Amino acid sequence: AQKITQTQPGMFVQEKEAVTLDCTYDTSDPSYGLFWYKQPSSGEMIFLIYQGSYDQQNATEGRYSLNFQKARKSANLVISASQLGDSAMYFCAMRERLGSGYSTLTFGKGTMLLVSP
Amino acid sequence: DTEVTQTPKHLVMGMTNKKSLKCEQHMGHRAMYWYKQKAKKPPELMFVYSYEKLSINESVPSRFSPECPNSSLLNLHLHALQPEDSALYLCASSQAAGAQGYNEQFFGPGTRLTVL
Repeated sequence: AQKITQTQPGMFVQEKEAVTLDCTYDTSDPSYGLFWYKQPSSGEMIFLIYQGSYDQQNATEGRYSLNFQKARKSANLVISASQLGDSAMYFCAMRERLGSGYSTLTFGKGTMLLVSP
Repeated sequence: DTEVTQTPKHLVMGMTNKKSLKCEQHMGHRAMYWYKQKAKKPPELMFVYSYEKLSINESVPSRFSPECPNSSLLNLHLHALQPEDSALYLCASSQAAGAQGYNEQFFGPGTRLTVL
């Protein structure tokens, strides 16, 4: 069975600083995908970044980058130059392909990030 | 259009009421999902529809009844709910697995349900 672990219930960072949110995973499937989602207090889950297990380079999307260490089974999210609007819950998730037309996600427990002025 | 819409945004209902949640997407996705999320917890998968057919039911009580009338629309019919069913209900959609791309799930804004 797949498992996602986020060990930081909460993180604090000052505006304009960088912050790393930890995520470790466990799977026996050699082909997998890792996602990070942001959930503000409004409730919507916003897709941030994706890393495939066979990707040679770490994923980057604007201020978001993924520090992917396959041997250590970790996929940490790095947010550079934090902004007040980054305050939200962040979920790490792993894709599991189950059927011919769909796949499901296994979520970690989440990390609440608070950015202060 | 990369949006998943959900209505209503908020819903308060009594334990004897019948109500429905609606989810719509126009991205051509053939997989649609219902999740239940309690405060400060990750989303929990309830149902998966693939090509308008129910593919996964995660042992959800029968007081929740999903329906997929067409490839763009997903409903969740609610009847005789309990107070512990109060939660944020999220709908999501994704391309069919195997399609090019990340196959990420696009989420709607959710319906905040309160059962009195």
